[in-house]
Amino acid sequence: GAGVSQTPSNKVTEKGKYVELRCDPISGHTALYWYRQSLGQGPEFLIYFQGTGAADDSGLPNDRFFAVRPEGSVSTLKIQRTERGDSAVYLCASSFSLATDTQYFGPGTRLTVL
Amino acid sequence: QKEVEQNSGPLSVPEGAIASLNCTYSDRGSQSFFWYRQYSGKSPELIMSIYSNGDKEDGRFTAQLNKASQYVSLLIRDSQPSDSATYLCAVNKGNTPLVFGKGTRLSVIA
Repeated sequence: GAGVSQTPSNKVTEKGKYVELRCDPISGHTALYWYRQSLGQGPEFLIYFQGTGAADDSGLPNDRFFAVRPEGSVSTLKIQRTERGDSAVYLCASSFSLATDTQYFGPGTRLTVL
Repeated sequence: QKEVEQNSGPLSVPEGAIASLNCTYSDRGSQSFFWYRQYSGKSPELIMSIYSNGDKEDGRFTAQLNKASQYVSLLIRDSQPSDSATYLCAVNKGNTPLVFGKGTRLSVIA
């Protein structure tokens, strides 16, 4: 079946702009995770959802970052007033449920803030 | 101390040799352990998971876990140039997000 998809694959924006990154998880997966990966680093947890609610948002670096999952499927990560330090690959993953550990990753969105 | 530590490498091995990748973790409550492979410019791909002490084999891959020493490793037998990638170690406590190491870059020389 279809894997996790993310759009756009690349996003270039200017400092101070607002961006939205979208994630479409594997059908039937109730848990959805957002990670951020900088060059030479492993993925860093941002937020995860179980269904529509954010189960843990402790990884969001500051209040410029926000994520929603209104219908329990597609999720959008929103970044306000982007800064150059936000440049990274944003990865989305999903798993069948929180009780299942295996997470499957999407291809990521490469965000570049000029 | 970082929660999950890996030698960043690069680790270079000749084709056909055994590649040994190591990972240590700090949280004794960690329950699940994963190895992901990541090719340059691609997303992580799960190759092995292990939950209990000992060895787990899957084809050319063997994961080894020692909870007392807080150590998990990945052995790749008969290494191929196509195994050249970054290998990420990740741990969690069940219903929690994964905590990743920085990854070890493996280069298999033909």
